[in-house]
Amino acid sequence: SYELTQPPSVSVSPGQTARITCSGDVLPNQYAYWYQQKPGQAPVLVIYKDTERPSGIPERFSGSSSGTIVTLTISGVQAEDEADYYCQSAASSTSPRVFGGGTKLTVL
Amino acid sequence: QVQLVQSGAEVKKPGASVKVSCKASGYSFTSYYMYWVRQAPGQGLEWMGMINPNGGYTSYAQKFQGRVTVTRDTSTSTVYMEVSSLRPEDTAVYYCAREYYYAGDRYGMDVWGQGTTVTVSS
Repeated sequence: SYELTQPPSVSVSPGQTARITCSGDVLPNQYAYWYQQKPGQAPVLVIYKDTERPSGIPERFSGSSSGTIVTLTISGVQAEDEADYYCQSAASSTSPRVFGGGTKLTVL
Repeated sequence: QVQLVQSGAEVKKPGASVKVSCKASGYSFTSYYMYWVRQAPGQGLEWMGMINPNGGYTSYAQKFQGRVTVTRDTSTSTVYMEVSSLRPEDTAVYYCAREYYYAGDRYGMDVWGQGTTVTVSS
């Protein structure tokens, strides 16, 4: 098995840029996916295949990848972006999926 | 519209089994993988297992091998997850989620069920 490591928390003021990282040995060879989860709700996909944004997700959400680290960037953070964010990947298309431990984004 | 509707909350005693259903509608059932993800109170997301409804291939997290079984009924577009030998630490919200795949690429879990709360307590 393998692990994906995220910082437990990130804090930013409204209008600033938030960057949430996810590190893992499989990431140079496998795509990462990012999910937003607000309290009491099911997760929502915000980034797929490292950098792609699903329809309906605001443009301020973007993803990038460099070696063993992928990053979710939220530009111009708004109060509504306060949530838990999880990265996810897999060793191969038929391998078990793994989630990172999650990062709590606090908007000050 | 596209939706995944899960069965209702369950309360079970330790050692029992639970079977949760996830009924898909509004899309081609066999064109998407289906996953099961759980979240214990105050904890993160935990991937449990998956099924490819087109053929029935399954894969499980090592932690759940032998204790979790995922099946599907293509006639009703429903996926089931059964967890046996329940323990108090299995108390969690259980979600199903679909993922589109094509030509070796996967596109993320874009639709999730509403979640099913399973409580294990004596």
